[in-house]
Amino acid sequence: GAVVSQHPSWVICKSGTSVKIECRSLDFQATTMFWYRQFPKQSLMLMATSNEGSKATYEQGVEKDKFLINHASLTLSTLTVTSAHPEDSSFYICSARDGGGGPEEQYFGPGTRLTVT
Amino acid sequence: GQNIDQPTEMTATEGAIVQINCTYQTSGFNGLFWYQQHAGEAPTFLSYNVLDGLEEKGRFSSFLSRSKGYSYLLLKELQMKDSASYLCAATDSNYQLIWGAGTKLIIKP
Repeated sequence: GAVVSQHPSWVICKSGTSVKIECRSLDFQATTMFWYRQFPKQSLMLMATSNEGSKATYEQGVEKDKFLINHASLTLSTLTVTSAHPEDSSFYICSARDGGGGPEEQYFGPGTRLTVT
Repeated sequence: GQNIDQPTEMTATEGAIVQINCTYQTSGFNGLFWYQQHAGEAPTFLSYNVLDGLEEKGRFSSFLSRSKGYSYLLLKELQMKDSASYLCAATDSNYQLIWGAGTKLIIKP
């Protein structure tokens, strides 16, 4: 099956620093990638949708200048959390849609746990 | 507005059967997903229904009624490893996933 990787799997950073999270589709081309955030005991919250080569579409309430998304190729999207604060500590998950598949062809990465101290 | 409702928590016994219900309201509809998520891990795909009826896949089955805006996930022969959260997500007219809050399933011996 299709595989999506995320790196790093966990990261601890100091308040005020920036953290970059990579999401890669390993064996398929992902025309669309999604970034989610999940706080403990809550469901997934979609942050943004990114299409290769174009600007990401952010959900209401998500600061695009704070959460920078770049989808430069069909296999790589990055999420940069700028000037991170403790309230940004969360589980960040990406998913990727196979461009050649149907709507059901969406695969999740393993997630990145971010802790801001 | 768009909305997904599913129970917050359910408890069942090992070896038994449990049904997790989900109702949805979306702008347009392009199918409904069920995902399993163990604590601290990303969701894993279980099923996708776009037509009415029951889809069976081993111990797991998923049912959809489009006219009622209703789906359920049926888990048979429960095992301890089935303890997890089960997420219902409907796809709207833009193929965007609208997520439920998840149902935490607790399996007791």
